[in-house]
Amino acid sequence: DAKTTQPPSMDCAEGRAANLPCNHSTISGNEYVYWYRQIHSQGPQYIIHGLKNNETNEMASLIITEDRKSSTLILPHATLRDTAVYYCIVRVLSQGGSEKLVFGKGTKLTVNP
Amino acid sequence: KAGVTQTPRYLIKTRGQQVTLSCSPISGHRSVSWYQQTPGQGLQFLFEYFSETQRNKGNFPGRFSGRQFSNSRSEMNVSTLELGDSALYLCASSSTSEVTQYFGPGTRLTVL
Repeated sequence: DAKTTQPPSMDCAEGRAANLPCNHSTISGNEYVYWYRQIHSQGPQYIIHGLKNNETNEMASLIITEDRKSSTLILPHATLRDTAVYYCIVRVLSQGGSEKLVFGKGTKLTVNP
Repeated sequence: KAGVTQTPRYLIKTRGQQVTLSCSPISGHRSVSWYQQTPGQGLQFLFEYFSETQRNKGNFPGRFSGRQFSNSRSEMNVSTLELGDSALYLCASSSTSEVTQYFGPGTRLTVL
């Protein structure tokens, strides 16, 4: 089962920041928070990941609370092309070990003109 | 660097047939994972291959199998197709130095 909880849907106005929350209250100390998004019928696209510090890349920012029980993905200036299902995933990184992603239902973000 | 490629992109089969899907990972990536996505069950992990060995397996029947070749390309096979096997099959690859999984565009399988 997925270890994360996300709202099923959100709306955002084009040009505004989109803030997508995720709860992961049972996260362990060595588990990372990953975000992917999936535009209709395409493969999931990696966005960003983090352990405890806030992270930023060219796509988004990831804010993780100090207790690491929740996080927020921020798309600073949402465009219509950001309309997608966003998945928050908690995963363990074990060097050289086997990996799998456990997807929940995600948040359907709709960016409106 | 080219991304993950999957062939074919679309496939139509009938019940009882078998199907083979192919995945070419990003150059240098040695781990390939397969996922099934359906409207009812969402994205579910099928199996992962690393250096031609299956390292992890999800909860799917034995009709679902896979393999990986020495060049890291992978195939998955589904035998005795059922209507419920209609899905988007996704392949993802990762490297040992940066274990983020990158997904391909998927193969849409329709079973009639």
